[in-house]
Amino acid sequence: RKEVEQDPGPFNVPEGATVAFNCTYSNSASQSFFWYRQDCRKEPKLLMSVYSSGNEDGRFTAQLNRASQYISLLIRDSKLSDSATYLCVVSRVGSQGNLIFGKGTKLSVKP
Amino acid sequence: GAVVSQHPSRVICKSGTSVKIECRSLDFQATTMFWYRQFPKQSLMLMATSNEGSKATYEQGVEKDKFLINHASLTLSTLTVTSAHPEDSSFYICSAPDRGQFGYTFGSGTRLTVV
Repeated sequence: RKEVEQDPGPFNVPEGATVAFNCTYSNSASQSFFWYRQDCRKEPKLLMSVYSSGNEDGRFTAQLNRASQYISLLIRDSKLSDSATYLCVVSRVGSQGNLIFGKGTKLSVKP
Repeated sequence: GAVVSQHPSRVICKSGTSVKIECRSLDFQATTMFWYRQFPKQSLMLMATSNEGSKATYEQGVEKDKFLINHASLTLSTLTVTSAHPEDSSFYICSAPDRGQFGYTFGSGTRLTVV
């Protein structure tokens, strides 16, 4: 089983749609969880951290279910500028803090 | 906020030559630098972790003699791809833990093409 697995995608949605991404991780002792956004041929950029209590940042909502080792990201009212690849990221247990990246799910928002 | 400057952003080299990639932390001290590689449509994979003043730690399957890492100061880490081959063509990116809330700053990446 891969350390971090994501929906294969791609997701092609119209503007204004709500889209959800899912992710699972294999190490139950993982401590920190993130969603990053990566535009084509660019470095990944932090979108938001994910907490057990769930957290929301504008149109973005992240959820963590430790029992199921499952992470989700919900994007409401999609914008054209949301088109990117979304990476589910977990920090490695016992390390100095390096990150384990999922393969990413590509989102394309169409007019 | 914290910035990691990575150069070059793009490089094309001939097979058999060596390429050096630099990552500098501009406004913070990076005692640790993570080096990742990303092949097309693949996830970022950690290659090695460099620590200022000590030897780098390489991930399984990464040849330490081929990918030379030097972390000479608290603000500079370098990755040298020696005797590059076309299969080394990839997107290389560095990342350093910083003191910000979310802890990680990425360089802008280097796209290496070996011909």
